[in-house]
Amino acid sequence: AQKVTQAQTEISVVEKEDVTLDCVYETRDTTYYLFWYKQPPSGELVFLIRRNSFDEQNEISGRYSWNFQKSTSSFNFTITASQVVDSAVYFCALLYSSASKIIFGSGTRLSIRP
Amino acid sequence: EAGVAQSPRYKIIEKRQSVAFWCNPISGHATLYWYQQILGQGPKLLIQFQNNGVVDDSQLPKDRFSAERLKGVDSTLKIQPAKLEDSAVYLCASSLDIPGRGTDTQYFGPGTRLTVL
Repeated sequence: AQKVTQAQTEISVVEKEDVTLDCVYETRDTTYYLFWYKQPPSGELVFLIRRNSFDEQNEISGRYSWNFQKSTSSFNFTITASQVVDSAVYFCALLYSSASKIIFGSGTRLSIRP
Repeated sequence: EAGVAQSPRYKIIEKRQSVAFWCNPISGHATLYWYQQILGQGPKLLIQFQNNGVVDDSQLPKDRFSAERLKGVDSTLKIQPAKLEDSAVYLCASSLDIPGRGTDTQYFGPGTRLTVL
């Protein structure tokens, strides 16, 4: 079965704290892609990152970093020194190549308090 | 580069009425997707087009939903007749998908928020 689990429904932290959003996936495909999208209150899904299953190198982009671990089927997202503008719903997604279909987790609502 | 355009942004209708949503993908993107996002959930794929052909419509409730992409560019999603449970945000996305390069990243439009009363 193909599945994405975001166990954290809501997270609230104070500005400047670090926060990690968890994502666990299930797939039988050996070739797949993982994504993180941000959905601010405006509603648009904003692409953040894409990772393929053969590239386990962690990535850092400014205050954002991603930790991909195939051994635990996890693709976690960390925001360092959070800001109020980071408040949004964040979705992890899995694209499995056998069906070229993307499935989304249920999302984590992140609130950053000033 | 212009993003994915959708209209209208908001629509309120009564049950049993009809409604149509429009999407214009990023220029040159071959693949177009329609998703339904119910409040508190992740988006769920309704239909996927490759140019003007349907790739996957397995989750489209075909008794009331229809979609077309006649010229392989913009697309229309229609609901007829609408039910209360169709209240959701309808998101359109597109991806480039160059043959031989695997499936590309999907870029999303702002969505249409539908309320069925």
